Amino acid sequence: AQTVTQSQPEMSVQEAETVTLSCTYDTSESDYYLFWYKQPPSRQMILVIRQEAYKQQNATENRFSVNFQKAAKSFSLKISDSQLGDAAMYFCAYRRWGAQKLVFGQGTRLTINP
Amino acid sequence: NAGVMQNPRHLVRRRGQEARLRCSPMKGHSHVYWYRQLPEEGLKFMVYLQKENIIDESGMPKERFSAEFPKEGPSILRIQQVVRGDSAAYFCASSLDGGPNTEAFFGQGTRLTVV
Repeated sequence: AQTVTQSQPEMSVQEAETVTLSCTYDTSESDYYLFWYKQPPSRQMILVIRQEAYKQQNATENRFSVNFQKAAKSFSLKISDSQLGDAAMYFCAYRRWGAQKLVFGQGTRLTINP
Repeated sequence: NAGVMQNPRHLVRRRGQEARLRCSPMKGHSHVYWYRQLPEEGLKFMVYLQKENIIDESGMPKERFSAEFPKEGPSILRIQQVVRGDSAAYFCASSLDGGPNTEAFFGQGTRLTVV
């Protein structure tokens, strides 16, 4: 079974600084998707960024980028120029190619210090 | 285009009662997924449904839990004879289809408290 591990229960960063959230996963599949979701206090799950495993290029969405290391099964999220609105729980998730269910990590609570 | 709508947002039930959680997918979406989030944990997959069909219920507890997605109306997650351990946030997501590139959109969840 696939597992996703986020080893940082909490992280904090100064506003305007850069922070990296870690995620590792375990799978025997070669084709899959990886995601980062943001969950603010409203509880809404918001997709931040996704990565297809067959793509070598790291995904980027504005201030959010990933470092995808397929051989190491690592998928970290970098947030540049942190803003107060970035404060939330962040979940890393895995989805096997052809399947629909997401496997989530335990989450990292990100605090932004003004 | 309204997003995924879940109601109620908060539900309080006494032990032994039934809980019914509703999910209206985004317009045009015919695939629905239910997840459960225990306090301070990530979401755990429960069940995947298409209209009138259960596709994958590998995450559903064997007893007391059931889900349906009728031809008309919202998807319903039903928990019978609730216990304190059922207290959690229950999230619904929907997608247009089941293709490999499809994206699932989440609702805001229903927080169930069993007292």
